[in-house]
Amino acid sequence: DTEVTQTPKHLVMGMTNKKSLKCEQHMGHRAMYWYKQKAKKPPELMFVYSYEKLSINESVPSRFSPECPNSSLLNLHLHALQPEDSALYLCASSRDHLDSYEQYFGPGTRLTVT
Amino acid sequence: AQSVAQPEDQVNVAEGNPLTVKCTYSVSGNPYLFWYVQYPNRGLQFLLKYITGDNLVKGSYGFEAEFNKSQTSFHLKKPSALVSDSALYFCAVRAYDNAGNMLTFGGGTRLMVKP
Repeated sequence: DTEVTQTPKHLVMGMTNKKSLKCEQHMGHRAMYWYKQKAKKPPELMFVYSYEKLSINESVPSRFSPECPNSSLLNLHLHALQPEDSALYLCASSRDHLDSYEQYFGPGTRLTVT
Repeated sequence: AQSVAQPEDQVNVAEGNPLTVKCTYSVSGNPYLFWYVQYPNRGLQFLLKYITGDNLVKGSYGFEAEFNKSQTSFHLKKPSALVSDSALYFCAVRAYDNAGNMLTFGGGTRLMVKP
């Protein structure tokens, strides 16, 4: 199984809402990532988790809050977002974060903030 | 600092013809290089990677890429393009000693294969 799953596929939320994005992988990968991708642009790294601990936070605003409940799950909690946060949010995983292992990406959650 | 350049926003090729998508990189030390493909409304799919060894790397769906250290390039190639190859292609680099497996992506190249 080389699949990373993400739910929901689409999400529309108001600026005062609280919502969560979910990501799951069962490949035994110990590194998981959140990316933000705007249309026709490359993905931008937001967070890296390694062995369930936050390893890298790319100066992401606090309205985005990641969580890694266990080695297979990664959440992104959203609160008080702005319209410019509308984007495709991609989750990825890799065997390890310190080596040359490729990252496997989920299909993404298309987020619209109204 | 590491960076990737994909000089062409779009590449057009006729079905059955060979295709090349260009990528050049800048990194301190030895690079790990990757190609990903993204179909509309989908995540990125891994195509191939260069770590060390043979400069010609073969990957999924008949794609291959050639690592050229002197030209700091890693161009993606396929001998015979298919209409179904039409997608957005990203080159990415990571330095050998870059903790955190932080990939730097190029801006992407849209490949259009016409029947």
